[in-house]
Amino acid sequence: QLQLQESGSPLVKPSQTLSLTCAVSGGSITTTTYSWSWARQPPGKGLEWIGSTYQNRGTYSNPSLNSRVTISRDISKNQISLTLKSVTAADTAVYYCGRTNMRGEFHYWGQGILVTVSS
Amino acid sequence: EIVLTQSPGTLSLSPGEGATLSCRASQNLPSGYVAWYQQKFGQAPRILIYAASTRATGIPDRFRGSGSGTDFTLTISRLEPDDFAVYYCQQYGDSPPSITFGQGTRLEIK
Repeated sequence: QLQLQESGSPLVKPSQTLSLTCAVSGGSITTTTYSWSWARQPPGKGLEWIGSTYQNRGTYSNPSLNSRVTISRDISKNQISLTLKSVTAADTAVYYCGRTNMRGEFHYWGQGILVTVSS
Repeated sequence: EIVLTQSPGTLSLSPGEGATLSCRASQNLPSGYVAWYQQKFGQAPRILIYAASTRATGIPDRFRGSGSGTDFTLTISRLEPDDFAVYYCQQYGDSPPSITFGQGTRLEIK
């Protein structure tokens, strides 16, 4: 059974960099059948796609976040990582990683991690 | 950028009734790559429908997705207490890859 687990610092200061890791078990991130994605949800608000990484297509991110987002993969650890630079309070959210099919839907989600941006 | 608009924002119904949730796209979605999710408080979303009308594994046939072009619908028949939650639609575009979510419909007990 595929499982995803987000981890990282739950508190980040404004202007600093948010860094999260998604540990994947029960499946390989090198698959060409699926992509691996990040989404977030500010408290009390809706979902927002952050970006997705594909084994043979590279990485794509939400244009509204594009210049601040980096999504990478560590094959040796079977992990996906997210970094978001120059954060502000508006980046406070629950961050989810997920496995996405080639039609873009999330069939598997991590439990999510709340990251608060505050001094 | 494609915008998905869900309506209504909140739907108040009683158990046993049927629910109709709408998702309208700002542009035609010829691929029909639309998915629906259910989210309960404090939990990650759960996929219900993908490719506009295909039920995900383990989803009962009370949940039905339909639509094409710019208009998509999630219909839930015979509402059960466990169905009251927030529902999101989502679309996928391939050139370049991008994902957009609707703002959500809250289904609450009347």
